[in-house]
Amino acid sequence: DADVTQTPRNRITKTGKRIMLECSQTKGHDRMYWYRQDPGLGLRLIYYSFDVKDINKGEISDGYSVSRQAQAKFSLSLESAIPNQTALYFCATSDTPPKAAKQYFGPGTRLTVL
Amino acid sequence: DQQVKQNSPSLSVQEGRISILNCDYTNSMFDYFLWYKKYPAEGPTFLISISSIKDKNEDGRFTVFLNKSAKHLSLHIVPSQPGDSAVYFCAASGTHNAGNMLTFGGGTRLMVKP
Repeated sequence: DADVTQTPRNRITKTGKRIMLECSQTKGHDRMYWYRQDPGLGLRLIYYSFDVKDINKGEISDGYSVSRQAQAKFSLSLESAIPNQTALYFCATSDTPPKAAKQYFGPGTRLTVL
Repeated sequence: DQQVKQNSPSLSVQEGRISILNCDYTNSMFDYFLWYKKYPAEGPTFLISISSIKDKNEDGRFTVFLNKSAKHLSLHIVPSQPGDSAVYFCAASGTHNAGNMLTFGGGTRLMVKP
């Protein structure tokens, strides 16, 4: 079974709709991350969480919010989706330093906002 | 401004030959570098890493070279195989940025032709 799972894998939605992407992990890691991937831009960090009570904004947090429901669960919400949020979204986990740099990614969610 | 850059969006190589993927960075505070490999419809997976105290790290067919003075690293794959066809992301980390967070390059798509 996969260590990091994401649901849904694909989602098409309309402008203005609220959408939630979910991530679960079985690696026992405290640290979890949400990234988006756009062509040519690599992966950009949206939010990260070092433990259940510690949530931080990343490089591109505007328009997004997150919830860390448990050590194993980290969800990403788009309160009012817009077309330029169409992208691939990845959840990742990592151990604590000095092993924090090696991250484990989920399979991704392809989101299309019409 | 991108702190980690992969200037070649794509690379095509014949099976059995060497593949060289390049990555440049601008922030001298980065002290740990990683390469991730991504297949379609999957999340990135860790491939190989190197600490700034080294200039070379080898793992089977994969070797990463680091030139700190030039702020440049490269990934060599020898010999290249069709199964190596994927997108490769360079990433950099440093203790200066909130506990080993990763900054990714834009990715290079490698195509290995049989």
